[in-house]
Order: sequence, then C-alpha cells, then structure tokens
Amino acid sequence: AQSVTQLGSHVSVSEGALVLLRCNYSSSVPPYLFWYVQYPNQGLQLLLKYTTGATLVKGINGFEAEFKKSETSFHLTKPSAHMSDAAEYFCAAARSGGYNKLIFGAGTRLAVHP
Amino acid sequence: DARVTQTPRHKVTEMGQEVTMRCQPILGHNTVFWYRQTMMQGLELLAYFRNRAPLDDSGMPKDRFSAEMPDATLATLKIQPSEPRDSAVYFCASGAGTGNGDTQYFGPGTRLTVL
Repeated sequence: AQSVTQLGSHVSVSEGALVLLRCNYSSSVPPYLFWYVQYPNQGLQLLLKYTTGATLVKGINGFEAEFKKSETSFHLTKPSAHMSDAAEYFCAAARSGGYNKLIFGAGTRLAVHP
Repeated sequence: DARVTQTPRHKVTEMGQEVTMRCQPILGHNTVFWYRQTMMQGLELLAYFRNRAPLDDSGMPKDRFSAEMPDATLATLKIQPSEPRDSAVYFCASGAGTGNGDTQYFGPGTRLTVL
C-alpha cells in the first residue's frame, strides 16, 4: 500500500534561514506528489505539485521541491524563511492512473522565530 | 476568486444528535472529496464523488455516516447518531477530475465537537 512519511513533526528555523521539510513516499510506481500548507483554522492550500516533466517544481511563496525517484523523496525547501511561513505542511501522494485519491503524511509544523 | 465553501464552520452538539455538514464545490468541478482531520489520525479520506456518484466511501463508518450529492452544487455529510469520537475537523475538497494529478481545492472545514 502506498504511504507518505514526513520526517520531523516539528521544525524550527530562524527568520532568514533555509527551510527544509522532508517527505518520502513508498510506491512501486512513482506517484503524483503534492505539498499543501495549512494555516491555523483554515483549510489546506496547494503549495506545489509534481505530475510529470521537470523534477524541480516551483510553487507559491518562494517554495520549491525536487522529485528524486532514486531516493523516493519529494523534500520541500525555501531559501529564506519568513515569519509568515509558520504553519503546518502536508506532503501527499496520489497514484497515477487512479482517481487522485490523496494519501497524506502526518504533517510537519514549521515554527519561524526572529 | 472561486473557492469551496462549507457550512457550518463550527458545530457543537450532544451525543446521539444528528449532524449535517454541507459543502459547495467550485463551479464546474466534478469531483468532491470528504476528509476528516484529527490529532491522532491526521487527514483521512472518508468519501469521494465523481459526477455526483459515490465512487469510494470505504473510509467512512457505514453505520452512522452517510454522504450524498443532491445536485452538482451541494454535497452533504451526515452523522446519525453522533458520538464523541466523531469530534474532528471535516474538510470538503473539489477538483476538476482530470485524474492526472489534478489539484484538490479545500474548503475551510467544519469543526465538530460532540459532547
């Protein structure tokens, strides 16, 4: 069965520092991959997604992620954290050829301190 | 700015009562998903509709939960009778339904508390 693992339930960075949130998937067939962000008391908002083509995907708010098939990873990065990036981030996978059923990771809460 | 809407945003009820949550998907979207979010289980898919037909409700407790789409602009999730363990945030999401990794757009959620 497909699964998504996010390493680190909490990540804390200083404002201006690199943000790295880790995501690994388990699937015999490379899935479609997504990163969503959830701000307090809000729904999930898509940051970026990988379907086909270029393995480095750029998203909103300066985030990007790289699909690495050999490592079954899809880590999310941002060169310089901003206070407004503090939120919970979810990695998700959908099986290609399926009906886009999303399997979510457990989430990583990002804290940004001055 | 098209978005998914959900009502109510908050619901407090007593055990045994019926709860109905509503979702209006983005106009033109033909897929609707219901998710439940809890601290312990994270985000779980409860049900999936395509063109108003339920295609997957395997994640939903069948004895007390039911999901319907009376028309293309309304999806409902009903719990009868409700139990304290149903306390969670329930999200609705809609998508264009291309099947090729299309984006799911989430509503703001309904926070349900069952006392």
